[in-house]
Amino acid sequence: GENVEQHPSTLSVQEGDSAVIKCTYSDSASNYFPWYKQELGKGPQLIIDIRSNVGEKKDQRIAVTLNKTAKHFSLHITETQPEDSAVYFCAANNNNDMRFGAGTRLTVKP
Amino acid sequence: NAGVTQTPKFQVLKTGQSMTLQCAQDMNHNSMYWYRQDPGMGLRLIYYSASEGTTDKGEVPNGYNVSRLNKREFSLRLESAAPSQTSVYFCASSPRTGSGELFFGEGSRLTVL
Repeated sequence: GENVEQHPSTLSVQEGDSAVIKCTYSDSASNYFPWYKQELGKGPQLIIDIRSNVGEKKDQRIAVTLNKTAKHFSLHITETQPEDSAVYFCAANNNNDMRFGAGTRLTVKP
Repeated sequence: NAGVTQTPKFQVLKTGQSMTLQCAQDMNHNSMYWYRQDPGMGLRLIYYSASEGTTDKGEVPNGYNVSRLNKREFSLRLESAAPSQTSVYFCASSPRTGSGELFFGEGSRLTVL
């Protein structure tokens, strides 16, 4: 089955700096790559996603890039704010087999 | 706008006891899922239901059973709880099977002593 590796496990940045979280996957058949944000005591919430026929997608301060050849995808958050502090999960999906990375705890220091 | 509702939010069990986690969604979604979340391991799929009347095993189904009661409700049952089942359980729903976009509930924290 699919195996998703996520790095780093923790990330601390100063408010206004950029944050980058990287994931790799193993199953070349995976075709959908979502990113979820989980705040304390809440369920994960989709923040951005990308499909395999696209290399990059942006939504305001958030962008995701996908390199299908290398089986890498990354989340980029620019101009970070304290409210961006949360745990972020990447995932790779092939039909109903969605596998998640272990998560990155992002702390944005004011 | 309830979305996905899980009950109970917290539960403590003794080894060998049984219990059922309830999940209901009001978004008219076809697919529903149960995940468990453990520290350092992300979310792992236990069971899913692609549509009313069908259920399938996920990555870690052992020790669990599920019932898709109707389109809205999907329950997870632990017949004989074990300490290894101590975890946070999340129910999720999706408009279409395989679409990938999941809407999660707020979680149920289960401790098995």
